[in-house]
Amino acid sequence: QKEVEQDPGPLSVPEGAIVSLNCTYSNSAFQYFMWYRQYSRKGPELLMYTYSSGNKEDGRFTAQVDKSSKYISLFIRDSQPSDSATYLCATYGGSQGNLIFGKGTKLSVKP
Amino acid sequence: NAGVMQNPRHLVRRRGQEARLRCSPMKGHSHVYWYRQLPEEGLKFMVYLQKENIIDESGMPKERFSAEFPKEGPSILRIQQVVRGDSAAYFCASSPFGQGTDTQYFGPGTRLTVL
Repeated sequence: QKEVEQDPGPLSVPEGAIVSLNCTYSNSAFQYFMWYRQYSRKGPELLMYTYSSGNKEDGRFTAQVDKSSKYISLFIRDSQPSDSATYLCATYGGSQGNLIFGKGTKLSVKP
Repeated sequence: NAGVMQNPRHLVRRRGQEARLRCSPMKGHSHVYWYRQLPEEGLKFMVYLQKENIIDESGMPKERFSAEFPKEGPSILRIQQVVRGDSAAYFCASSPFGQGTDTQYFGPGTRLTVL
């Protein structure tokens, strides 16, 4: 079982749609969860950073963590074509801070 | 404030040659992480370095790969005798404190193609 699993998609939605991206993880010791956005041929950029269970909102983006089911989600409201990218969920794998990533979900928002 | 810089952005090598990838962390950051992204795969951790020290190399292949972060200059990821399977995007990230929960800032990556 992989430590972080993510459906690679691709996911295609019309502009203005609500997008839901999800990951599951296997180790209940994981505490911090991140979402990175990666545009084609670019490096990942941090989008959201959450600790433990609960929701965190930033503009059109909401990150949600459910530790009881080991499930993390990213919601994008009013999606825009500029949101078209690959979204990677991640967590810290150890005390040294190395990140464990999901495979990424490729999102396309059609105008 | 310049971000993480990597060069070259694209590197083509023939099988058996050496590849050297460079990473300059953000100003004020002294902790560097290297990751590899294979086609259709997620990012995989390779190595974590502080200045002049390798802290965690648990993700590095045992042979042909090495990394350093000297007191002066960029961090270098070195791949000797490259093979086709080394073709991937290599990203480095830097953080300011090296604490286990620091935000890591990624560079644009080096895309290595092995012919």
